[in-house]
Amino acid sequence: DAGITQSPRHKVTETGTPVTLRCHQTENHRYMYWYRQDPGHGLRLIHYSYGVKDTDKGEVSDGYSVSRSKTEDFLLTLESATSSQTSVYFCAISGTENEQFFGPGTRLTVL
Amino acid sequence: GENVGLHLPTLSVQEGDNSIINCAYSNSASDYFIWYKQESGKGPQFIIDIRSNMDKRQGQRVTVLLNKTVKHLSLQIAATQPGDSAVYFCAENENYGQNFVFGPGTRLSVLP
Repeated sequence: DAGITQSPRHKVTETGTPVTLRCHQTENHRYMYWYRQDPGHGLRLIHYSYGVKDTDKGEVSDGYSVSRSKTEDFLLTLESATSSQTSVYFCAISGTENEQFFGPGTRLTVL
Repeated sequence: GENVGLHLPTLSVQEGDNSIINCAYSNSASDYFIWYKQESGKGPQFIIDIRSNMDKRQGQRVTVLLNKTVKHLSLQIAATQPGDSAVYFCAENENYGQNFVFGPGTRLSVLP
């Protein structure tokens, strides 16, 4: 998976609790992305980062925040998880502005 | 698998036959396209890409065709193998932006 790890790989949590997902890369790529994947939908961009402390919103950013304090780490936080945020979350990296390499995914269930 | 939808279009092919997977894209300004393969429980894997200044691009056992007139992209897999069974989806991008638009995917099932 092109030097990308995600943690945790699976998580079950309750509505209203905070959740943080971590993406770690060893490729020293500039761009990092968080997507969610749901049945009936293609991958949808939540947030992305184009450098340390530089982030921007994607298509479905409501209810999510991100932080990137180091090149290798990109964190996705759900401040107060809701059942609609039950999904599979993928991190991706890119060394250019085009081709993206994806991590193995995190399956999040919000009860 | 955890990565696929319940009602994805499915293409079933015999092992050894060629497969053609299609994708219609929506943005006439899109100028870069990628095909991804996603196996159950895994992240998407890059297969091949093409830019809008090309009509065809070949890789190892795969060919991507781009028809900008009708906004259609296809992925051809030669001599399909059991390991090709997966969900395939296309992604489009405009002007080197960060926002790729992904299609919902097609499930390829290879029959022995």
